[in-house]
Amino acid sequence: SQELEQSPQSLIVQEGKNLTINCTSSKTLYGLYWYKQKYGEGLIFLMMLQKGGEEKSHEKITAKLDEKKQQSSLHITASQPSHAGIYLCGADWGSGNTPLVFGKGTRLSVIA
Amino acid sequence: DAGVIQSPRHEVTEMGQEVTLRCKPISGHDYLFWYRQTMMRGLELLIYFNNNVPIDDSGMPEDRFSAKMPNASFSTLKIQPSEPRDSAVYFCASSERVNTIYFGEGSWLTVV
Repeated sequence: SQELEQSPQSLIVQEGKNLTINCTSSKTLYGLYWYKQKYGEGLIFLMMLQKGGEEKSHEKITAKLDEKKQQSSLHITASQPSHAGIYLCGADWGSGNTPLVFGKGTRLSVIA
Repeated sequence: DAGVIQSPRHEVTEMGQEVTLRCKPISGHDYLFWYRQTMMRGLELLIYFNNNVPIDDSGMPEDRFSAKMPNASFSTLKIQPSEPRDSAVYFCASSERVNTIYFGEGSWLTVV
């Protein structure tokens, strides 16, 4: 069966610290999508990675897709309270023609 | 521009009652998705439509669940009869392509 695992499940960091969230796929990805969910709200699209070795950044958030296209990492530099929320990765295993399958998410808390 | 609009945002109902969740997708989007989010199972795809036609409903838990899309600007997800285990956040999402989907803010359902 196709699986998508995120780690850690939850994370508490002090404001200003860096952190990394991982997303591992059981098979090669066609595309990998990162979303952020604020508590009690919907999911906001962050970025999409498609090429092996690709890296994208948005403000202080950087996402990478490994060369084998089976693992992605999301790195936040100098975390702020506004970064708190649930980060979900979504897998496209179907050449762009099938809906995303999501991991269970990583719950991030940022404390002052 | 208006995003995906869902109603109601919150619903508390008694076991056995019918529940109807509503969704207005982003104008021009050909795909509409219904997802369910729980702590245990994460974000699961229930059903998705393309041009108002249901494409895959294999994620619908059982016959108590039904979804319709009578036109390009409206969809409903109905649960009849509702059970406590249906308590979850139900998200509607839409997209121009099958990926890079845009989520509504969710309908928080509690069945007591």
